[in-house]
Amino acid sequence: GALVYQYPRRTICKSGTSMRMECQAVGFQATSVAWYRQSPQKTFELIALSTVNSAIKYEQNFTQEKFPISHPNLSFSSMTVLNAYLEDRGLYLCGAREGTANERLFFGHGTKLSVL
Amino acid sequence: QQKVQQSPESLIVPEGAMTSLNCTFSDSASQYFAWYRQHSGKAPKALMSIFSNGEKEEGRFTIHLNKASLHFSLHIRDSQPSDSALYLCAVNSGTYQRFGTGTKLQVVP
Repeated sequence: GALVYQYPRRTICKSGTSMRMECQAVGFQATSVAWYRQSPQKTFELIALSTVNSAIKYEQNFTQEKFPISHPNLSFSSMTVLNAYLEDRGLYLCGAREGTANERLFFGHGTKLSVL
Repeated sequence: QQKVQQSPESLIVPEGAMTSLNCTFSDSASQYFAWYRQHSGKAPKALMSIFSNGEKEEGRFTIHLNKASLHFSLHIRDSQPSDSALYLCAVNSGTYQRFGTGTKLQVVP
C-alpha cells in the first residue's frame, strides 16, 4: 500500500535556529507534495505545494526564504524551518499524491516542532 | 482564496447515535470534496470523497454534497468509540487541497 514516512516525529529547537524535516513516499510516486502546519490553535494551514519538475508554490504568509523546500524525485521531499520562533510551533505535515488535485493525499505522521 | 470552515468544533455523542459533521467552502468552482480522519498522534487518513452533487455511502459513512449551497457533510451511522478522532474536511482549489480546522468527535460508550 501507499505510505508516507515523515521524520523526525518531534523536535525541539532554540529560538532563532533552524530545523529540517523529511518525507519519504513508499508504494507510489509522489508527484506532488503539499506541506501543511497544524497549529496549537488547530488551524490547518497550507504552506506550499511542490510538484516534481515545476516551481514550488507558496501560500500567502509563507515564503521560500523561511520555509525552503526540496523535492528532488518522486519519493522524497524535505522542508526546513529557518530561524524558528515561537509562532512557528506546531505539527508540520507532508501530504503526497500521485496524480491530480482530485486525488487523496497520503500523509506522514507529522513533525512536532517546539521552540524554546 | 478558498475558505473552508467546519462545524461544530467539537461533538460528544453516545455510542450507537448518528453523527453529523458539516463543512462549508467559498469557491463554487471546487471539484473535489473529501473527509479525512486523524486519530490522536496519527497521520490524517482519507475517509471518503465525492465529486458531484448528491450522496455517497460507504458502510456506516455517508457524504452529502450541495454545491449550490457551498456545503457538504459527513454522517456516521451507529457511531462507535473507535470513531473518536479529529475529522477534517478538504476541498480542492485549483491544484491545492485546503482543509478546515476540524471537528473533534468523541463517542462515549
